[in-house]
Amino acid sequence: DVKVTQSSRYLVKRTGEKVFLECVQDMDHENMFWYRQDPGLGLRLIYFSYDVKMKEKGDIPEGYSVSREKKERFSLILESASTNQTSMYLCASSPLQGTGELFFGEGSRLTVL
Amino acid sequence: AQSVTQLGSHVSVSEGALVLLRCNYSSSVPPYLFWYVQYPNQGLQLLLKYTTGATLVKGINGFEAEFKKSETSFHLTKPSAHMSDAAEYFCAVSVNDMRFGAGTRLTVKP
Repeated sequence: DVKVTQSSRYLVKRTGEKVFLECVQDMDHENMFWYRQDPGLGLRLIYFSYDVKMKEKGDIPEGYSVSREKKERFSLILESASTNQTSMYLCASSPLQGTGELFFGEGSRLTVL
Repeated sequence: AQSVTQLGSHVSVSEGALVLLRCNYSSSVPPYLFWYVQYPNQGLQLLLKYTTGATLVKGINGFEAEFKKSETSFHLTKPSAHMSDAAEYFCAVSVNDMRFGAGTRLTVKP
């Protein structure tokens, strides 16, 4: 089974702090994604990556950056956290060739005070 | 870019009743279509997917969906709801990347 692991299920941070959300997948997938989930808005794509050291902006990249130094790991970075970034963050991966099905982690619920 | 509209943010049914969750999509090329389910405090799990071929797709837990190109729809159905079906359901469309609808929360009444 594909396993996507997000390092922290729950985080509480203060405004202005730098926040790292880590995601690791164990199925050698080329593609990795970060989504943000908010009630009534569904999942919105923040960034995605098709390969190591490669990244593409999604629909809402402002205030976020990403890092993909190794194929299995995709990190989401909030350089200076703000209260409007309080949300559930979901990481997903998929193989390059295929139907596009995504495999999701359990999510990281971030609260910024 | 492709997009998805889910009609109804909340749907409530009685146990044993038909479940119908509506999804319409927009895409300039033939898309792949998905339904995912999310239980509280968990990530998303794949219910079913349409890629090519048969337009009626069967998934897990007795759910199925029919791809109707003429109506640009991919509605999710289950003949008889169970209490364990209570969750949030997301329709998604994939071309180069996956875009999700806003979700429909299903409540099942005893």
